[in-house]
Amino acid sequence: GESVGLHLPTLSVQEGDNSIINCAYSNSASDYFIWYKQESGKGPQFIIDIRSNMDKRQGQRVTVLLNKTVKHLSLQIAATQPGDSAVYFCAENIKKLTGGGNKLTFGTGTQLKVEL
Amino acid sequence: GAVVSQHPSRVICKSGTSVKIECRSLDFQATTMFWYRQFPKKSLMLMATSNEGSKATYEQGVEKDKFLINHASLTLSTLTVTSAHPEDSSFYICSASRGTRPPYNEQFFGPGTRLTVL
Repeated sequence: GESVGLHLPTLSVQEGDNSIINCAYSNSASDYFIWYKQESGKGPQFIIDIRSNMDKRQGQRVTVLLNKTVKHLSLQIAATQPGDSAVYFCAENIKKLTGGGNKLTFGTGTQLKVEL
Repeated sequence: GAVVSQHPSRVICKSGTSVKIECRSLDFQATTMFWYRQFPKKSLMLMATSNEGSKATYEQGVEKDKFLINHASLTLSTLTVTSAHPEDSSFYICSASRGTRPPYNEQFFGPGTRLTVL
């Protein structure tokens, strides 16, 4: 299954299928991107990250793709399991205009529901 | 490694009281800590950034007198919601950054604090 992130906040997939969660980011100067998983009532949990000089990075069962041309980020989860059910956020790192340093700006999130 | 804790996990208070939330980095020194607010079914919104020993930098629209942040040490930051009102009810999440090795801006998140103001 595939989501469009901002326009389809809920993605339902069958257990064992692959999931694709999409995210459109806003700042072309962003140099670092992260995907987080958040379960109900808990803080965000790091899944995978990618720097802007890469277009693909793979982890265990997860792959992140970055398309800087269209400012698009996706998270692919292979063989989705019930434990993957959660809200997934993309975040982009940008330099702060005032005060120095960096900050993360989070996307709106996509609820992933895994059906048995 | 890189564990961040928050205390309390849940707090219910009466309108007009002040509430303090602690954020601790348990196994590393955090040069920078961040405070976020999250409403139900919504994304995380950065409230402020704090560096140890200096004043916090607040995001636009966040009242610094309402949300007091103290970053007294490299392992502890506190957020005090002063004179809390029902509209302050939210999920408050902190994160901490080591800032000593790439990616220098990697943030580790705490489990969050659910604040309910009656």
